[in-house]
Amino acid sequence: TQLLEQSPQFLSIQEGENLTVYCNSSSVFSSLQWYRQEPGEGPVLLVTVVTGGEVKKLKRLTFQFGDARKDSSLHITAAQPGDTGLYLCAGADKTSYDKVIFGPGTSLSVIP
Amino acid sequence: GAVVSQHPSWVICKSGTSVKIECRSLDFQATTMFWYRQFPKQSLMLMATSNEGSKATYEQGVEKDKFLINHASLTLSTLTVTSAHPEDSSFYICSVPPRGTYEQYFGPGTRLTVT
Repeated sequence: TQLLEQSPQFLSIQEGENLTVYCNSSSVFSSLQWYRQEPGEGPVLLVTVVTGGEVKKLKRLTFQFGDARKDSSLHITAAQPGDTGLYLCAGADKTSYDKVIFGPGTSLSVIP
Repeated sequence: GAVVSQHPSWVICKSGTSVKIECRSLDFQATTMFWYRQFPKQSLMLMATSNEGSKATYEQGVEKDKFLINHASLTLSTLTVTSAHPEDSSFYICSVPPRGTYEQYFGPGTRLTVT
């Protein structure tokens, strides 16, 4: 069974601080995605990483896919209140081309 | 980017009644759509895979007779919660996977409250 774990589960930081969220699994994934979800809304895709060791940047967000394609990290530099939300990692399910498996999420709160 | 809509955005119903939620893919045709439910401060739980022109595939533990899914066209899937009970109160979200990608585009969700 493919499982994704995320840490930390909850994170509350001051505006301007840096943070890293981790997504880990014992299984190899062909790709991983990161989503952000704000309260009362659907998740929004941030990035997809496909190649082991890949690093992608999206403004103040840096995403990395582990060399073995079993883990990923999301680093936010100089966090802002607008970064507040639930961050979800997701990986493609081996048994179904379209299905994805979601991690439990990291709830981030950035305090002004 | 792709746009997925859901209707209604929120609904309150009495226990024992049925509620239908629509999910529309506005930017592209989708032979597959997914339905999730999400409880407060928790991740998404996949309920079922909606397949255009055929029966939906339900995840283990999800009652197919309670959560009826109809994927009548390439742009519309509906989820009907039958004989709703307070424990069915949740946030229901659909998603559409563009062909050839591993990504999912989510609808804005429907908040169901059963009184």
